[in-house]
Amino acid sequence: GAVVSQHPSRVICKSGTSVKIECRSLDFQATTMFWYRQFPKQSLMLMATSNEGSKATYEQGVEKDKFLINHASLTLSTLTVTSAHPEDSSFYICSAKSILAGARELFFGEGSRLTVL
Amino acid sequence: AQSVTQPDIHITVSEGASLELRCNYSYGATPYLFWYVQSPGQGLQLLLKYFSGDTLVQGIKGFEAEFKRSQSSFNLRKPSVHWSDAAEYFCAVGAGGGNKLTFGTGTQLKVEL
Repeated sequence: GAVVSQHPSRVICKSGTSVKIECRSLDFQATTMFWYRQFPKQSLMLMATSNEGSKATYEQGVEKDKFLINHASLTLSTLTVTSAHPEDSSFYICSAKSILAGARELFFGEGSRLTVL
Repeated sequence: AQSVTQPDIHITVSEGASLELRCNYSYGATPYLFWYVQSPGQGLQLLLKYFSGDTLVQGIKGFEAEFKRSQSSFNLRKPSVHWSDAAEYFCAVGAGGGNKLTFGTGTQLKVEL
C-alpha cells in the first residue's frame, strides 16, 4: 500500500520556539493532505486541509497563525507550530489522498509527538 | 454535519473469543465508512472500508464489518481474537468523497491470554 512518512516522530522543544513537522507521500502524489491532532487517550480531531499550491483550510477553532501549513509540492506538506507552548503538546498525524482519479482512501503517517517544555 | 459514536470505551476479551466493536454514525447522505487500528504511539492502519455495494466488508487481519443502513451502524467483528489485536480501534465516516473524516472516540481493546 501507499506510504506516508512523518518527520520527526518525536520532538521536544522549549516554550516559545517553533517546530516544523513534515508529511511526505513516498510512493504517490497527493493533491490533498490532512492534519489531525490527537490528545492522550482521545480521538483524532481534524485541524486543517492542505491543498497543493493553495492556502490551507482550517477547521473552526484552529488558530491559523499558530499552526502554519504549507503544501509546496504534491508529495510534501509541513505543519509549523509557532511559538509553541505546553498546551500545544500533542500527537500530530497527517493523512494524504492520492492524486489518482477516483481515489477515496486516505493514507496516514505514523504521527509526530510534540512535547513542549 | 456527520458524527460517529463508539459506545464502548474499553473492551476486554479472551484470546480466541469472538469480538464485536460497535459503531453508529450520523450522516445525511450515503456514508463512506472506515475502521482504523492504532497501536500505542503509532499512526493509523486501515482495517477495512465501505463505499457502496455489498454491505458485508472483509478487511485485513481477519476483520469484517457490516453496514446496516436501517440501524446507522457499521460494527466491526472478528471470529477469533489474537493477542496481537490489542490496540485502539477507531470508526470513521467520510464526507466530501471520503476525504474529510470524522472519527469516533475509539475503543480500547484488551486481550487476555
